[in-house]
Amino acid sequence: AQKVTQAQTEISVVEKEDVTLDCVYETRDTTYYLFWYKQPPSGELVFLIRRNSFDEQNEISGRYSWNFQKSTSSFNFTITASQVVDSAVYFCALSEGQAGTALIFGKGTTLSVSS
Amino acid sequence: KAGVTQTPRYLIKTRGQQVTLSCSPISGHRSVSWYQQTPGQGLQFLFEYFSETQRNKGNFPGRFSGRQFSNSRSEMNVSTLELGDSALYLCASSEFMNTEAFFGQGTRLTVV
Repeated sequence: AQKVTQAQTEISVVEKEDVTLDCVYETRDTTYYLFWYKQPPSGELVFLIRRNSFDEQNEISGRYSWNFQKSTSSFNFTITASQVVDSAVYFCALSEGQAGTALIFGKGTTLSVSS
Repeated sequence: KAGVTQTPRYLIKTRGQQVTLSCSPISGHRSVSWYQQTPGQGLQFLFEYFSETQRNKGNFPGRFSGRQFSNSRSEMNVSTLELGDSALYLCASSEFMNTEAFFGQGTRLTVV
């Protein structure tokens, strides 16, 4: 069965620290998509990245980077030099090739960055 | 481009009533999905519409229904409201199925 596990419920860091958010997924499909979303206090889910199962290249976007490893079924997200504005709930999600855009979300990791 | 627009932003309803929520997707997007977010269950997929047809459905009772119009706008309806239906309902639009989904700000429904 498909599942997304974000084992870290809450993380607290001080500004400028690097932080990694873990995501482990389960699926039997060979074609699937992985996502990260950010949910600030306003409630809207902000899209960060989409990665398909055939592309294991790591990705960097500014202070954000993602490490996709099929061997360990993980899709971890690192924020470098964290800032107070990074404080939010971060969700990892999975969609399977045959299931359209239906996203299976993890429980989320609440990141608090203090100054 | 304008983002995903959900109306209303807040609703208070009484048990047993029904409610309709509306979602206008990003212009040009043909797929609309709905999600329910609660503190206990987290984010759960309700259903997805593409070209006015329901393509996928999550594990929710038949009281939850939806539809999509020819202009891709979508509505979801919940009948015979229960206290447990209190949640943030999020709509997401994507250009096609299996592409990036962009979310609206949600409708916060409170059932009393």
